[in-house]
Amino acid sequence: EAGVVQSPRYKIIEKKQPVAFWCNPISGHNTLYWYLQNLGQGPELLIRYENEEAVDDSQLPKDRFSAERLKGVDSTLKIQPAELGDSAVYLCASSLRQGVQETQYFGPGTRLLVL
Amino acid sequence: DQQVKQNSPSLSVQEGRISILNCDYTNSMFDYFLWYKKYPAEGPTFLISISSIKDKNEDGRFTVFLNKSAKHLSLHIVPSQPGDSAVYFCAASAGRGSTLGRLYFGRGTQLTVWP
Repeated sequence: EAGVVQSPRYKIIEKKQPVAFWCNPISGHNTLYWYLQNLGQGPELLIRYENEEAVDDSQLPKDRFSAERLKGVDSTLKIQPAELGDSAVYLCASSLRQGVQETQYFGPGTRLLVL
Repeated sequence: DQQVKQNSPSLSVQEGRISILNCDYTNSMFDYFLWYKKYPAEGPTFLISISSIKDKNEDGRFTVFLNKSAKHLSLHIVPSQPGDSAVYFCAASAGRGSTLGRLYFGRGTQLTVWP
């Protein structure tokens, strides 16, 4: 069974430019998560989707970040405009359903460098 | 404020011996705990989990112990192998409330197993 797929794996952009990341969750997984991981830190949740509905986006900086999950499968995370401090790894994860004691499975991440 | 803490940034163990990785948490609402392993340039890989109704869970060489009164959990790897060298993240989630499904991660412990 294929795992969580993310693209691109690496992205280098100049500050103030837009950037987008794509995620395809494990087949059949209704819940999708975007996490941000800074160097030397653990991942931190940005947004959680249950099917196509964003059920937890309190940690998403909405002035420059946006996300969508059309049709409840693939998801896109966008930053516009990017800032130097956005350099990090962006991880996508999925689980079968929202609820207690659900194991989340992570993709390989997209490593973003903002110059 | 860090709700999940891994106070040892690194651990070095000889092959064949036991590795013990520790994790402390502050939120009494947490009721599900997971350990993830991460190799460089890859996403976190699920290793083992434990529910708060248990105090021990075992899977092959990996055992997780949970001490709810001390808000402490540990991961034991016996025997340690060079392939176990990776960063290990402790994570926790709460089964109720507005943050349902959100994983809180520690900063990770770099385990090095030497021959």
